[in-house]
Amino acid sequence: GAVVSQHPSRVICKSGTSVKIECRSLDFQATTMFWYRQFPKQSLMLMATSNEGSKATYEQGVEKDKFLINHASLTLSTLTVTSAHPEDSSFYICSFGHGEEQYFGPGTRLTVT
Amino acid sequence: DAKTTQPTSMDCAEGRAANLPCNHSTISGNEYVYWYRQIHSQGPQYIIHGLKNNETNEMASLIITEDRKSSTLILPHATLRDTAVYYCIVRPNSGGSNYKLTFGKGTLLTVNP
Repeated sequence: GAVVSQHPSRVICKSGTSVKIECRSLDFQATTMFWYRQFPKQSLMLMATSNEGSKATYEQGVEKDKFLINHASLTLSTLTVTSAHPEDSSFYICSFGHGEEQYFGPGTRLTVT
Repeated sequence: DAKTTQPTSMDCAEGRAANLPCNHSTISGNEYVYWYRQIHSQGPQYIIHGLKNNETNEMASLIITEDRKSSTLILPHATLRDTAVYYCIVRPNSGGSNYKLTFGKGTLLTVNP
């Protein structure tokens, strides 16, 4: 149980385009979910926290107009990277809170060329 | 949240016990110790958590010192698939799984054949 999926697992896009990443909880519902990103050889950094049906709370230094989060249901959240640039290339990971733990998706590797 | 200190890396022979230490000397009374691990290019995986008593599950054991200033994660019979970065995280349990996690640099455990 407590499976989280992400789609796509890898994406390559051109600079200036937008990319949408989906995160789904497959066998549970959650009101709160989190988006992280991880640069090579670094740890996970929290980008934002979102609750279903309300606006996301972004961490300091994360541009809310660039990283659009839609938490439309208890099982689905999307992260859209708008006007992507090479410095946005990273590993993006979502997680849902469930029980006493967080369950993480497998991650999406974004490469912006 | 209380800060944690972990060794950067450790090695372990396959089949032997892996003991991963974590220092959390500033932990407060309502904070739990959580352990997650991240296999290369995957999302983090929950391992175990505890407050003050030792805990055991099918993956690992968690030993917390009486003063709660440090803990040790024990993988009783390490396998090659246990090679990963192990994160020790301290967080309040209020808010449950909806509380954000702050990841440090973790310990890279390499299990050798």
